Amino acid sequence: RKEVEQDPGPFNVPEGATVAFNCTYSNSASQSFFWYRQDCRKEPKLLMSVYSSGNEDGRFTAQLNRASQYISLLIRDSKLSDSATYLCVVKWPRGAQKLVFGQGTRLTINP
Amino acid sequence: DGGITQSPKYLFRKEGQNVTLSCEQNLNHDAMYWYRQDPGQGLRLIYYSQIVNDFQKGDIAEGYSVSREKKESFPLTVTSAQKNPTAFYLCASNTENTEAFFGQGTRLTVV
Repeated sequence: RKEVEQDPGPFNVPEGATVAFNCTYSNSASQSFFWYRQDCRKEPKLLMSVYSSGNEDGRFTAQLNRASQYISLLIRDSKLSDSATYLCVVKWPRGAQKLVFGQGTRLTINP
Repeated sequence: DGGITQSPKYLFRKEGQNVTLSCEQNLNHDAMYWYRQDPGQGLRLIYYSQIVNDFQKGDIAEGYSVSREKKESFPLTVTSAQKNPTAFYLCASNTENTEAFFGQGTRLTVV
């Protein structure tokens, strides 16, 4: 089993749609969780951290389910500019400091 | 401004040559990481370092070497033993309580 797994997509959705991504992780002691966005031929950039209670930033909502070991990202009212690859990132426990990336989910928003 | 700098942005290597990719950060981060990304793929961990003079192999360390003589610097050498080195190389850093910050990457091509 991969340490962090994502559906690679691609997801092609119309502008204004709601889209959701899930990501599962294998290490139950994982410490921190993040969603990154990567545009073509660029470095990844932090989209949002994922907190146990769930968190929202504008049109983006992130959730963490420790019992089932998955995190999710919901994008509402999608814009053309949301087209990118979304990477799930898991930080291993204290002392290990290892950051593990999922393979990324490619999203294309169509006009 | 604080940040993480990779150089060069583009690098061409001849068959059988060793090349070194530079990564410098002035964020006072303890941990530094090297990832490799192939087209359409996610990030795979090559090496990571939690403190000066210490580093650990990631998932694809064969054919690569690193050093961590200074907190600010984590150079990656791609040796001739790496048979398929053409890829996008990303360096990142963080502390225990922060997300990872990335450099702009180095595109390595074997000619």
